[in-house]
Amino acid sequence: GENVEQHPSTLSVQEGDSAVIKCTYSDSASNYFPWYKQELGKRPQLIIDIRSNVGEKKDQRIAVTLNKTAKHFSLHITETQPEDSAVYFCAAPLGGYALNFGKGTSLLVTP
Amino acid sequence: DAGVIQSPRHEVTEMGQEVTLRCKPISGHDYLFWYRQTMMRGLELLIYFNNNVPIDDSGMPEDRFSAKMPNASFSTLKIQPSEPRDSAVYFCASSDPSRELNNEQFFGPGTRLTVL
Repeated sequence: GENVEQHPSTLSVQEGDSAVIKCTYSDSASNYFPWYKQELGKRPQLIIDIRSNVGEKKDQRIAVTLNKTAKHFSLHITETQPEDSAVYFCAAPLGGYALNFGKGTSLLVTP
Repeated sequence: DAGVIQSPRHEVTEMGQEVTLRCKPISGHDYLFWYRQTMMRGLELLIYFNNNVPIDDSGMPEDRFSAKMPNASFSTLKIQPSEPRDSAVYFCASSDPSRELNNEQFFGPGTRLTVL
């Protein structure tokens, strides 16, 4: 099955700085890569996703890039705010519509 | 829609007891997923259903775990007998790839299970 590696496991940035989280996957046939955000004590929620037919997708302060050749994709958050503090998970298809999640990155944005 | 509903929200039980977790997916969603989340292992897929049929249960840790989906609006995850290492947050999620613009999975609030 798909193997997803996520780095770093923790990330601390100052408010206003950018944050980048990277994931690698193993199955070259994978074609869908979502990112989920989980605030403390809450459920994971989708924030952005990308399909393999595009290299980049943006939604306001967040963007995701995909390098199919290298089999890695990244989440970029610009102008970080304290409310961006959360755990972020990348994922890749496990089979069918199931997902294999990375281990998560705990992002702390300090004022 | 109220979203994915899970019950109970918290469960504290003693080792050896049977535990049943319940999930009601979003109406019309034909995929249902059960996940377990721990600090050590992250978010693990246990089993998922399509149109009430189990598709992949390879993530179920052992025979003590079982899951059913008797109809499109209800699923259960049962642990019998429970052990302290089963303590975790169990999430249920549902999706409808044919209707949603993406493959988004909608998670329930989770059940925090503590086995003493």
